[in-house]
Amino acid sequence: GQNIDQPTEMTATEGAIVQINCTYQTSGFNGLFWYQQHAGEAPTFLSYNVLDGLEEKGRFSSFLSRSKGYSYLLLKELQMKDSASYLCAKGGFQKLVFGTGTRLLVSP
Amino acid sequence: DVKVTQSSRYLVKRTGEKVFLECVQDMDHENMFWYRQDPGLGLRLIYFSYDVKMKEKGDIPEGYSVSREKKERFSLILESASTNQTSMYLCASSTLAWGKRSGANVLTFGAGSRLTVL
Repeated sequence: GQNIDQPTEMTATEGAIVQINCTYQTSGFNGLFWYQQHAGEAPTFLSYNVLDGLEEKGRFSSFLSRSKGYSYLLLKELQMKDSASYLCAKGGFQKLVFGTGTRLLVSP
Repeated sequence: DVKVTQSSRYLVKRTGEKVFLECVQDMDHENMFWYRQDPGLGLRLIYFSYDVKMKEKGDIPEGYSVSREKKERFSLILESASTNQTSMYLCASSTLAWGKRSGANVLTFGAGSRLTVL
């Protein structure tokens, strides 16, 4: 199967750091994507990892361990506008398979 | 600056009706996709296409068909709508052939079409 697991919901405080984990089955792996989706809007691309290690992009970083089938998205200096769902997606042959998403609630 | 346009934002249809959901992209992308999104189930792939007149089944193709007559347009068809097809439908497109090691294999999504089948 393509089981992609991530927590359903997380809460954090403005200014804090939060880490959203994602695990996936390693067979047929061709990259790991993170998307952000605000309520009622389309998902938008955040990051892509195909090699092990950390990719940093401003306040957001994404980490990948291919041997462990594990990735995380790290959000620093949280802002209220970061309240959204974060979707982990595994790239496979010709298509992406998405996890169910993690809803992040940022409070003042 | 709209890049992936879905024809209808909200639709209400009756059981048994034929439903067409249209998607147009202006980025000259090769690949186009139809997903549905449901609470607790996430995004699930219905069909995708990597070229004109080509189509591939995704994970949940039953009850759906697609058409890609032109590169920029990908249509999702519900031959006989049922209540369990009530959902948010998202169209997406991407460029480059799969398998290339590039961050450019990124999906650009449309705003979505929320379909209610009564």
